[in-house]
Amino acid sequence: NAGVMQNPRHLVRRRGQEARLRCSPMKGHSHVYWYRQLPEEGLKFMVYLQKENIIDESGMPKERFSAEFPKEGPSILRIQQVVRGDSAAYFCASSRIADTEAFFGQGTRLTVV
Amino acid sequence: GENVEQHPSTLSVQEGDSAVIKCTYSDSASNYFPWYKQELGKRPQLIIDIRSNVGEKKDQRIAVTLNKTAKHFSLHITETQPEDSAVYFCAATGAAGNKLTFGGGTRVLVKP
Repeated sequence: NAGVMQNPRHLVRRRGQEARLRCSPMKGHSHVYWYRQLPEEGLKFMVYLQKENIIDESGMPKERFSAEFPKEGPSILRIQQVVRGDSAAYFCASSRIADTEAFFGQGTRLTVV
Repeated sequence: GENVEQHPSTLSVQEGDSAVIKCTYSDSASNYFPWYKQELGKRPQLIIDIRSNVGEKKDQRIAVTLNKTAKHFSLHITETQPEDSAVYFCAATGAAGNKLTFGGGTRVLVKP
């Protein structure tokens, strides 16, 4: 059973471009969480999704950021018109149900130049 | 929503000594409390967790205690080793539909 898979591992975008981050949860997991981590800082919650539903997006900026978890395929975190402040590590985690073990992917390190 | 506070933010211990990290949470409905270890440049990894119907859980040199009345839980690492050096995060989550909320992290340095 492969773990949580995120790709790409590293992503470089110029200001104004779009960034698409992908997360494939562990087999049998239907809950996905996205977190952002700045260097030397903690894990800041962005969005919590179940298949085809956004459960909680209270941590996600209302503009430029969106997330989805379709019936088929990975969860996608999309950042439009990236700015330098978007540079961070973005981690995805998945769990089987809400209050059980959540496992993290290796993260996508986004650099905006 | 849930709010998790974690202390201390940094902790330096001598190899072989014990390390204790404390967290408090605000939502009395929270019932699952995991701890994660994150080494530099790597993903957070689950090291131990506890549910609200249990007061203490041990796994080799690691133990977690939970006080539901006071709404706080702690991580205890005994006989610390240099490879225990990392950032440790506590977290809490409640009923279905609640996100996993993390504390701010504790940077642990074990000096040989």
